[in-house]
Amino acid sequence: GAGVSQSPSNKVTEKGKDVELRCDPISGHTALYWYRQSLGQGLEFLIYFQGNSAPDKSGLPSDRFSAERTGGSVSTLTIQRTQQEDSAVYLCASSPTPDMYEQYFGPGTRLTVT
Amino acid sequence: GQSLEQPSEVTAVEGAIVQINCTYQTSGFYGLSWYQQHDGGAPTFLSYNALDGLEETGRFSSFLSRSDSYGYLLLQELQMKDSASYFCAARGQGFSFIFGKGTRLLVKP
Repeated sequence: GAGVSQSPSNKVTEKGKDVELRCDPISGHTALYWYRQSLGQGLEFLIYFQGNSAPDKSGLPSDRFSAERTGGSVSTLTIQRTQQEDSAVYLCASSPTPDMYEQYFGPGTRLTVT
Repeated sequence: GQSLEQPSEVTAVEGAIVQINCTYQTSGFYGLSWYQQHDGGAPTFLSYNALDGLEETGRFSSFLSRSDSYGYLLLQELQMKDSASYFCAARGQGFSFIFGKGTRLLVKP
């Protein structure tokens, strides 16, 4: 079956512009996560969605970052007024249960802020 | 604070056995997961330990000791394709999920 998909795969933007990153989770997966990974580093948790519950936004680094999940499926991560330090790979993952331990990752969006 | 510590790099030869350690410090504990990530690729799930002991999945095994806040990933019969980064991960505060910084495994012929 189809895995997690993300778009775009690459995004180059100018400092100060807004960007939207999209994630399509595996059908039927109720839990969805966003992470950020800088070159050679581990994954930094950003936000967690579970069904219709309020998301856990504790990992969002600033109020320039926001995310929504519509209809319990597709999610969009928005970064406003991008900064060079936002450059990273943004990974989305989904999980069939809220247990969190087994997550299926998308290929990521490589964001470069110039 | 919450953290997972693992060695930054490990080198081993093809056919050998390698162990990648992970020590953790979290506010609560719900189990330890392991992920593999090849360069340029997405992380893929390998194994999960909720309870103490060894979990075996083919050539890969994972161990957990909750009393020692310690776990490891054991890779046997190493193959060149096992060269990748390996991450331990655990649930943090709330519904956050924390990854270690990763161990880069280099398998040599």
